[in-house]
Amino acid sequence: GNSVTQMEGPVTLSEEAFLTINCTYTATGYPSLFWYVQYPGEGLQLLLKATKADDKGSNKGFEATYRKETTSFHLEKGSVQVSDSAVYFCALSSNAGGTSYGKLTFGQGTILTVHP
Amino acid sequence: NAGVTQTPKFRILKIGQSMTLQCTQDMNHNYMYWYRQDPGMGLKLIYYSVGAGITDKGEVPNGYNVSRSTTEDFPLRLELAAPSQTSVYFCASLGDSPWGGEQYFGPGTRLTVT
Repeated sequence: GNSVTQMEGPVTLSEEAFLTINCTYTATGYPSLFWYVQYPGEGLQLLLKATKADDKGSNKGFEATYRKETTSFHLEKGSVQVSDSAVYFCALSSNAGGTSYGKLTFGQGTILTVHP
Repeated sequence: NAGVTQTPKFRILKIGQSMTLQCTQDMNHNYMYWYRQDPGMGLKLIYYSVGAGITDKGEVPNGYNVSRSTTEDFPLRLELAAPSQTSVYFCASLGDSPWGGEQYFGPGTRLTVT
């Protein structure tokens, strides 16, 4: 079956530090990969996505590259801000068997705290 | 445009009680989903729907039921609540492109069963 593994958290950084959150996956078919973010007290919202190998998703200074050879989709940001404090989820949607109903498989989430 | 709305925001149930979590979307999306989020865990899919009148089980459907009589509404029913159902429940919807498409999430319902 499909699975997503994220680096163990939580992660605590100072403002302007470099961020990496690791994500690896196992999937059948050709999955689409996503990063969702959950701010305190809110639902999840899409941060970025990539739908095929070597694609790079980017948004709000965050980037992630779909690496099929290493089955990874690591999230990076060059300079984090206090406002980036949130929970980050890596997820995939697989089209195994030729059907895709958009069902998401999530990693366990990584709590990011950024201090001034 | 409200997006995906969920009610209630919080609820405490006693063991054995029943309740319905409401979910409504105003984006005319065909696909809708119910997930649960347990502490320190990712979200797990309970049920999903690909259109009015069509529903199917996800990864963790036991103890839940759903219906989809309209495009807009996708209620989740808990029968005979158990402590293991204590969780945060999220409803989501997705537009016409399930392949790589963005899911839009509601704000969640925090349920405690005691």
